[in-house]
Amino acid sequence: SQQGEEDPQALSIQEGENATMNCSYKTSINNLQWYRQNSGRGLVHLILIRSNEREKHSGRLRVTLDTSKKSSSLLITASRAADTASYFCATDAGFGSNYQLIWGAGTKLIIKP
Amino acid sequence: NAGVTQTPKFQVLKTGQSMTLQCAQDMNHNSMYWYRQDPGMGLRLIYYSASEGTTDKGEVPNGYNVSRLNKREFSLRLESAAPSQTSVYFCAGGTSGRAEQFFGPGTRLTVL
Repeated sequence: SQQGEEDPQALSIQEGENATMNCSYKTSINNLQWYRQNSGRGLVHLILIRSNEREKHSGRLRVTLDTSKKSSSLLITASRAADTASYFCATDAGFGSNYQLIWGAGTKLIIKP
Repeated sequence: NAGVTQTPKFQVLKTGQSMTLQCAQDMNHNSMYWYRQDPGMGLRLIYYSASEGTTDKGEVPNGYNVSRLNKREFSLRLESAAPSQTSVYFCAGGTSGRAEQFFGPGTRLTVL
């Protein structure tokens, strides 16, 4: 079963536009993370937001977290062709020392030149 | 630093064959993970090791075994490969289960 679900499944926009992806999850969390995966490659960590944070920025990335709605959004501003990739959210689950990340199915982002 | 490395990059097996996927990290991570990724899906955890000397089942452990050989190395073994195990396998490491994870480049496995 998957904790996080991204929306939309696919997104195609023009270079220079902003891209927004959403992630919903089911149970309470300690943190939520966003990752990028370029085609055929491993995942790369983008940003981690803790449950007591509402917004976080990193360069052109802005992440928000609404724990009351159990949702998060990732905004990429001024998109570039190099942003073409799949984006995944992951939430932590578990107890004691055995925490794991639970992953959504991802949003495939295509930036058209 | 090489980060997280995986071997092999590609592998084709026949049903019933066995093989071991190797993973090594030079980032001094306590935790290491094996995931599989199928088309259109997110990652599913197969096994993980929260620290050297411990291993635990994840969401989809059936048909797999793991060994945390030392702090650096975490291998995944398929004893009798099945077509349902055709997938891309990723190894990852992290300081703890809640922290960011660093991924290897993946192994693309096809079982005929």
